[in-house]
Amino acid sequence: DQQVKQNSPSLSVQEGRISILNCDYTNSMFDYFLWYKKYPAEGPTFLISISSIKDKNEDGRFTVFLNKSAKHLSLHIVPSQPGDSAVYFCAASAGIGNKLVFGAGTILRVKS
Amino acid sequence: DAGVIQSPRHEVTEMGQEVTLRCKPISGHDYLFWYRQTMMRGLELLIYFNNNVPIDDSGMPEDRFSAKMPNASFSTLKIQPSEPRDSAVYFCASRDVNSGANVLTFGAGSRLTVL
Repeated sequence: DQQVKQNSPSLSVQEGRISILNCDYTNSMFDYFLWYKKYPAEGPTFLISISSIKDKNEDGRFTVFLNKSAKHLSLHIVPSQPGDSAVYFCAASAGIGNKLVFGAGTILRVKS
Repeated sequence: DAGVIQSPRHEVTEMGQEVTLRCKPISGHDYLFWYRQTMMRGLELLIYFNNNVPIDDSGMPEDRFSAKMPNASFSTLKIQPSEPRDSAVYFCASRDVNSGANVLTFGAGSRLTVL
């Protein structure tokens, strides 16, 4: 069973516009969420996180929104840049020290 | 800090052969994770260690897979015998739980192709 789901395998956005990547989870025990970015032939790198006590966390062009009642989170990238083209993974854990469960990833392509 | 080091970066082998993937975590990190990435399932957790002790191996696909962490600076993931369906990118990651955040640092991965 997939506890973390990224239902969009890919997304294409024009440079300068907003990219919105979505993630749903099923385990109500999850209370810490992260987004990772992955370029080809490299390992995933940490991008931004949010704990369940918040509903929004912002870091520069990246904002993560958490809707606990809907068990949904999203990553907004504004404005999108060609260098943002990568695979984005959503991840969650039940407790800050526990294992991370990842989604299948969404391929983002930003067109210039 | 050189980050998490994995070897080999690429491995091509024939079905039935033994495969050993290696990982050197970041010094001082007390957790080590092995993940596998496939197109169909994304990033799957195979096993993780805390202070060299296996904590959860429920993600290991079957008995052909085994992992060890003989000391704080080295871990191996072994597949014996290998099968074509094991073809994937295998990632090692480490974490410092004392950092206060559940952030993993990943290696560059080992791409395995089993013919």
